[in-house]
Amino acid sequence: DQQVKQNSPSLSVQEGRISILNCDYTNSMFDYFLWYKKYPAEGPTFLISISSIKDKNEDGRFTVFLNKSAKHLSLHIVPSQPGDSAVYFCAAWGGGSNYKLTFGKGTLLTVNP
Amino acid sequence: DAGITQSPRHKVTETGTPVTLRCHQTENHRYMYWYRQDPGHGLRLIHYSYGVKDTDKGEVSDGYSVSRSKTEDFLLTLESATSSQTSVYFCAISESERLEQYFGPGTRLTVT
Repeated sequence: DQQVKQNSPSLSVQEGRISILNCDYTNSMFDYFLWYKKYPAEGPTFLISISSIKDKNEDGRFTVFLNKSAKHLSLHIVPSQPGDSAVYFCAAWGGGSNYKLTFGKGTLLTVNP
Repeated sequence: DAGITQSPRHKVTETGTPVTLRCHQTENHRYMYWYRQDPGHGLRLIHYSYGVKDTDKGEVSDGYSVSRSKTEDFLLTLESATSSQTSVYFCAISESERLEQYFGPGTRLTVT
C-alpha cells in the first residue's frame, strides 16, 4: 500500500524552462511534506518542505505547492539548470506514525543544456 | 553539511555471513535512522532510534537488528546476510522528529 506516489519515473526538460515534479498521497493524516534531491552515489539532500497549514512555500528557484483537497503536491523549479539533474523524492510526515517519513519512489529529472 | 559518516562505504560479502554497518554523527542529534534504497522502491525505513538504547522497527526490519549505545553511533547488523539484502544503505539523523532528516553518503552492500 503505497501512501506517497510519484507517478512519473522520469522527466526531461530544457535548460531555462520550468520543471514540475508531482506527488500524490493517500493518507489524510500526513501534515508535513518534504522534497529531497539525490545525485548518484550520494545521500539524499533536503531541498524544501511545506506544512499542511500552508499551500505554498518558496525558496529561490524552488517552490512547493500543496493542494490538500486533492492530496497533491508539486515541486516547481524555475529556471531549470543542468545541475538540477537528479532523482527527486517526495516524503510525508505524520499519518499516525511517529518518527517516520514515508517516501515516494522518486522521479529522475534530466535538464538538457 | 551535517556531520554524518558511514562505514564501510562499499562491502561485498557472502550469503550467510554477519555484516555490521556503522553510522557516526557529530551533530549530537537525538534521532537516527537506517534506510535502504532499491530500484523501484525508493527509500524504505529499516529501523530507527529516538535515543540511546531506544530503537524501534521500520517497515522492512526483518533480517536486521540495530544498536545504539552512544548518541553518536547507530549500528545496523545483518545477522546472516541474504542476496535480497543487496542494496544501498543510508543512515539519517534529525534533531527533532518533525524536522528534516539529513542523510549520510550511503553504503553499497553486495551479498553474493
